[in-house]
Amino acid sequence: EAGVAQSPRYKIIEKRQSVAFWCNPISGHATLYWYQQILGQGPKLLIQFQNNGVVDDSQLPKDRFSAERLKGVDSTLKIQPAKLEDSAVYLCASSFGLSSYNSPLHFGNGTRLTVT
Amino acid sequence: AQKITQTQPGMFVQEKEAVTLDCTYDTSDPSYGLFWYKQPSSGEMIFLIYQGSYDQQNATEGRYSLNFQKARKSANLVISASQLGDSAMYFCAMREGRSAGGSYIPTFGRGTSLIVHP
Repeated sequence: EAGVAQSPRYKIIEKRQSVAFWCNPISGHATLYWYQQILGQGPKLLIQFQNNGVVDDSQLPKDRFSAERLKGVDSTLKIQPAKLEDSAVYLCASSFGLSSYNSPLHFGNGTRLTVT
Repeated sequence: AQKITQTQPGMFVQEKEAVTLDCTYDTSDPSYGLFWYKQPSSGEMIFLIYQGSYDQQNATEGRYSLNFQKARKSANLVISASQLGDSAMYFCAMREGRSAGGSYIPTFGRGTSLIVHP
C-alpha cells in the first residue's frame, strides 16, 4: 500500500511570506492530522480532520494558519504570513479510524520549513 | 501536566546489546493505547509497536518489545540486539479513549535520542 505523501520536502521562505503544504493520506484512511515538530521536540498536533470535517483545531494559530480537506482525501496546510518561529518540520499523518484508541498513525516524510 | 514523559534525552548503547527507553504516561481514562515511533535523521516517523490498556501481555514486534507496567503507568521500549541502523529519535505516544473528553488525539513525548556504537 502507498504511504502518506507530502510535498514539498523542503521550503525556505522569508518572514511575512506565505507557504502551503500538501498531503495525500493512505487510501481509505478517514482521519488526517497535521503536526508541527520544532527541532528537539515531539510533534504537536495542529489540526485533525475526520473525512472533510474538522475534529480538533484548538492548537492551530488561526490568525496565520489555515487548513482544508475539501473532498475528504488530500489536505492543504497554509501559513500566511510566516514568522521566524514557524520554522519546523510539518508532518502529515493518517489513520484508519477516529473513534479508536488502538489505531496507529502513519506519517509522511514531512516538510522542513525554514523561515528567514 | 505532561501526558507523556520521556526522561532520557539521550542514550548510548553498544551494537548487539539491549537497550531500554523509558516512557511514563498520565491518564485517568481506562481505555488508552500506547505507541512507540522511530524517527531517523531523514525525518519520517515510523510506527514500531502498540500496547492497549486492556492487553494482558506485553507487546512484541521482532526486536522490539514493550515493558508495560500499568500500575506504574510506564511503557518502556526494549530493543534487543541493537543495530547501527537503530540510531534515531524514539517517541512514545498515547491515545486516550472517549471518556477523556477528547477525540482520541494522539499526544507525543519529547523523545529520546539513541546512538548505537559499533
